[in-house]
Formats: sequence, C-alpha cells, structure tokens
Amino acid sequence: GQQVMQIPQYQHVQEGEDFTTYCNSSTTLSNIQWYKQRPGGHPVFLIQLVKSGEVKKQKRLTFQFGEAKKNSSLHITATQTTDVGTYFCAGSFTGGGNKLTFGTGTQLKVEL
Amino acid sequence: SAVISQKPSRDICQRGTSLTIQCQVDSQVTMMFWYRQQPGQSLTLIATANQGSEATYESGFVIDKFPISRPNLTFSTLTVSNMSPEDSSIYLCSVWDVKGSYEQYFGPGTRLTVT
Repeated sequence: GQQVMQIPQYQHVQEGEDFTTYCNSSTTLSNIQWYKQRPGGHPVFLIQLVKSGEVKKQKRLTFQFGEAKKNSSLHITATQTTDVGTYFCAGSFTGGGNKLTFGTGTQLKVEL
Repeated sequence: SAVISQKPSRDICQRGTSLTIQCQVDSQVTMMFWYRQQPGQSLTLIATANQGSEATYESGFVIDKFPISRPNLTFSTLTVSNMSPEDSSIYLCSVWDVKGSYEQYFGPGTRLTVT
C-alpha cells in the first residue's frame, strides 16, 4: 500500500534556530497537505500543495512540493516556542478521493 | 470551518466490552472519517463514512470490529467492539465538505484505555 515517511522523527532546536521536516511518498501524490498537532491536541490544517514544484509561504513557514510530486518539505525559520508540536504531512493519491494517508510525523521541541 | 465535538472525551473500559464514540458537527458535511492514533504515533484511517451508504473500511479494519453509523449529515458513531488492550488509542473523527475548502477538520478525539 501507499506509505508516507517523514524524517526526522524528532528534532530538538534552540529558539531562533531553523527547522526542516521532509516527507517522502512511495508513489506519486495528487496533492499533499500539512497539519500541526500540539501536545494533547488534534491535527490542525496548515496548507495544501497541488502543483509540481509548488512553493508556498506562511510567515516563517515555507512549504515545498517536489517536481515529481513524491516528496515535500516544511521549513520553519527562526523557531519559537509556539512552534512546538508534531508536524504531519498527509498525501492524497490518484483515485483515492479525499482520503488522506498521514506521514509518520516529526515531533519538534523548542528550547529557550 | 467546521466545529466538531466528540463524546466521550475519554474512557477506561474492560476487555471484552464495547464502546460507542459519537461525533457531532455543527454543519452538514459530505464526508466523515474515523482515525486511530496510538500514543506518539501517526494517524491511521479506519474508515470513511458517507451519509446514506455503508462505510468504507481500510485494510486491517473490519465492520464487525468497528461498526459505523452515519444517520445524517451532521452525526456519526464509531463502535469499538469486543475490546482488547491493543485497542487502547485515541480515536478521532474528521470531516470534509465538498462545498467548502479542501482541508479536513478534526474533532478533539476520544482517549480510550482498555484494561
């Protein structure tokens, strides 16, 4: 079946440092979404990427979708303590409708 | 956006019993999904529930174990039947509406512990 892997599994950074999580799919995606889950909370939608090579920015967050539509990344510039949580990519596959396959997640901890 | 509530928020159950989780949405939505998330793990889709049709289950999940109802466009239930400790997990419902934007909205989750 389709698998979506993320690296790293965990990341500890000092506040102000940058952070990147990488998402890789075993097969081509029709689109990819990113979600953030705070400790004890539920996933909250961040963004959707659809086009090959697409880049989107939200303040300090930059999202990229690979040219082959099999990988994606989320980069956070100058992390803050409010960035703490687990970041999941979630992919939709052709023919899968709106069903999402969630990545394994990257847990981010930010230390002062 | 959609506001979703789930009941119960948590429960501790004995093995062999069943628990029904309710998911209520503040607006009519096309598709509802049920996920399982074990502590520290990712989300695994259990099934998709559309109003007026049988739920569609993912590989590894069967209707006898996880029966789902979707009586209308704002409500769904998931039952975890004949529970074992391996069923201890957080169960989340989410919704997607074809009339709205493309993201899924998640409920707060139900934390289930089976002893």
